[in-house]
Amino acid sequence: DAKTTQPTSMDCAEGRAANLPCNHSTISGNEYVYWYRQIHSQGPQYIIHGLKNNETNEMASLIITEDRKSSTLILPHATLRDTAVYYCIVRVQYGNKLVFGAGTILRVKS
Amino acid sequence: EAGVAQSPRYKIIEKRQSVAFWCNPISGHATLYWYQQILGQGPKLLIQFQNNGVVDDSQLPKDRFSAERLKGVDSTLKIQPAKLEDSAVYLCASSRDFDTDTQYFGPGTRLTVL
Repeated sequence: DAKTTQPTSMDCAEGRAANLPCNHSTISGNEYVYWYRQIHSQGPQYIIHGLKNNETNEMASLIITEDRKSSTLILPHATLRDTAVYYCIVRVQYGNKLVFGAGTILRVKS
Repeated sequence: EAGVAQSPRYKIIEKRQSVAFWCNPISGHATLYWYQQILGQGPKLLIQFQNNGVVDDSQLPKDRFSAERLKGVDSTLKIQPAKLEDSAVYLCASSRDFDTDTQYFGPGTRLTVL
């Protein structure tokens, strides 16, 4: 079962940073935080993942709190193409099983 | 690198009929997954293969669903007979190995059961 809590939906202005929160208060020491997104009529797309350090790649940044009970996905300059459902997933390293919740619908508006 | 391929993209059938979906994973990926995504929900894992062996099929309704990956490459998911509640998008994903690697998803097959 999903172990994360995310807001149902969020709006963001085009060109501004989109900050998507996720609560995972029951996370274990060996569990990673993964973020995927799903654009309409497409399969989910991997964005980023982390264990306890903040991570950054060409798509986004992931900020994980020191107690690891929550995290924030940051899209630094949101565009209309970033409109999608964003899934925060807690996953153990071994077994590679992803359990998706309902995610957050991010709407980027011009 | 080519992505995960799935066919058909859309399928409409009547209840009690049979249907099959095909998936070709990214070349060299040992692990293959089938997910079911009902409208408004996140994807739910149905079955996971490591090469041609089943790793996890605990969520697969085995009375009507079956899946195979005979040569450890492409895979087929079958529903027989279909029910109205099987209307969903069926997603295939693959990863290089069983353990830590990222899963890459195909575009999915949208099934409508009338």
